[in-house]
Amino acid sequence: QKEVEQNSGPLSVPEGAIASLNCTYSDRGSQSFFWYRQYSGKSPELIMSIYSNGDKEDGRFTAQLNKASQYVSLLIRDSQPSDSATYLCAVCTSGTYKYIFGTGTRLKVLA
Amino acid sequence: EAQVTQNPRYLITVTGKKLTVTCSQNMNHEYMSWYRQDPGLGLRQIYYSMNVEVTDKGDVPEGYKVSRKEKRNFPLILESPSPNQTSLYFCASSLGGGAGEQYFGPGTRLTVT
Repeated sequence: QKEVEQNSGPLSVPEGAIASLNCTYSDRGSQSFFWYRQYSGKSPELIMSIYSNGDKEDGRFTAQLNKASQYVSLLIRDSQPSDSATYLCAVCTSGTYKYIFGTGTRLKVLA
Repeated sequence: EAQVTQNPRYLITVTGKKLTVTCSQNMNHEYMSWYRQDPGLGLRQIYYSMNVEVTDKGDVPEGYKVSRKEKRNFPLILESPSPNQTSLYFCASSLGGGAGEQYFGPGTRLTVT
């Protein structure tokens, strides 16, 4: 069973701090990696995608991928209370076009 | 406006009564998918479609059917719903044949009594 693991949290950070969210995956051949944000009762919203090893930055968000260690992380700089949400890691598995989601990490940014 | 739409948004039904949840996208996306989201279990993929007339099972396909007769539409069919199919359902679409960024619909909350 291919898996994506995330710490459920909650992860609490003060406003203005860096929030670091982590995700590990089991399928070594996975090709695509995504971070989604989901507010309570709402649909997932794409934040970042990353396809190759290294860092990818978009505004306050940085995704990091390390395929050798099979982990993906998301850094949120200058965290704001509006960033409080559940963050979902998703992986597109090798050989098929199935997506596996982690159960999400709940982030709380304290004002 | 580019979007994925789902109908209905809320549905309460009884065991065994066939139902269809519609999904439509206006972005000319090739890939479409259905998920269910349950507390503690996260989002799980039910079925996906790479293109018209091409569908495949996700991780939890039992009790569901799909069809893809047109590029923009991907309905989810529950022929004999059971209480364990009570869940929050999301449709998503992605440009290209898969492995790309998915965009989600607003969700359908289904209760089967």
